[in-house]
Amino acid sequence: SAVISQKPSRDICQRGTSLTIQCQVDSQVTMMFWYRQQPGQSLTLIATANQGSEATYESGFVIDKFPISRPNLTFSTLTVSNMSPEDSSIYLCSVARTGGDTQYFGPGTRLTVL
Amino acid sequence: EDQVTQSPEALRLQEGESSSLNCSYTVSGLRGLFWYRQDPGKGPEFLFTLYSAGEEKEKERLKATLTKKESFLHITAPKPEDSATYLCAVTSGTYKYIFGTGTRLKVLA
Repeated sequence: SAVISQKPSRDICQRGTSLTIQCQVDSQVTMMFWYRQQPGQSLTLIATANQGSEATYESGFVIDKFPISRPNLTFSTLTVSNMSPEDSSIYLCSVARTGGDTQYFGPGTRLTVL
Repeated sequence: EDQVTQSPEALRLQEGESSSLNCSYTVSGLRGLFWYRQDPGKGPEFLFTLYSAGEEKEKERLKATLTKKESFLHITAPKPEDSATYLCAVTSGTYKYIFGTGTRLKVLA
């Protein structure tokens, strides 16, 4: 398993602003992912954070809206840009040792956009 | 198209009343099936990984089983602290998980 922390744990933001969420892991991992969980819904993969290269985005998610950085094997950030109330969700990072293996999730960041 | 369906959507049990949660899946080449527990406002907590039909895993009052089309999460003599949403996910050899919508379990004292 892995110990994963996220900052902030929650935030309330104004429409049109941006928020950067940090994900820190206690050991080096190959794979890091970002998910969104909208109220009452299950988890949807936003993108895979690739170390040293651009993130791989899933259908319906674009880099301009959700820029991602991964400078090393233990840290990643997700920015939610130009926010609207529809972006209100829980944002989760997860990690895995290799592709297809068990993913372990962070505690999540609860975002409310007014 | 890969798909995961969980049932029931919600389940209320009396303390000690055993039951099972179902996860039906359609995937092109199952690599792994995963069960998670999620408490309100928190990230999913890993429970089990199952790789092949016939496999079973146990942890305290929970037991997960896998067939070629579905998985069951059996809860034996549940306690109120077992109340949570239980999520099932599958992967088909890539990194991408397909999640079900979960079963909300409430165990009454």
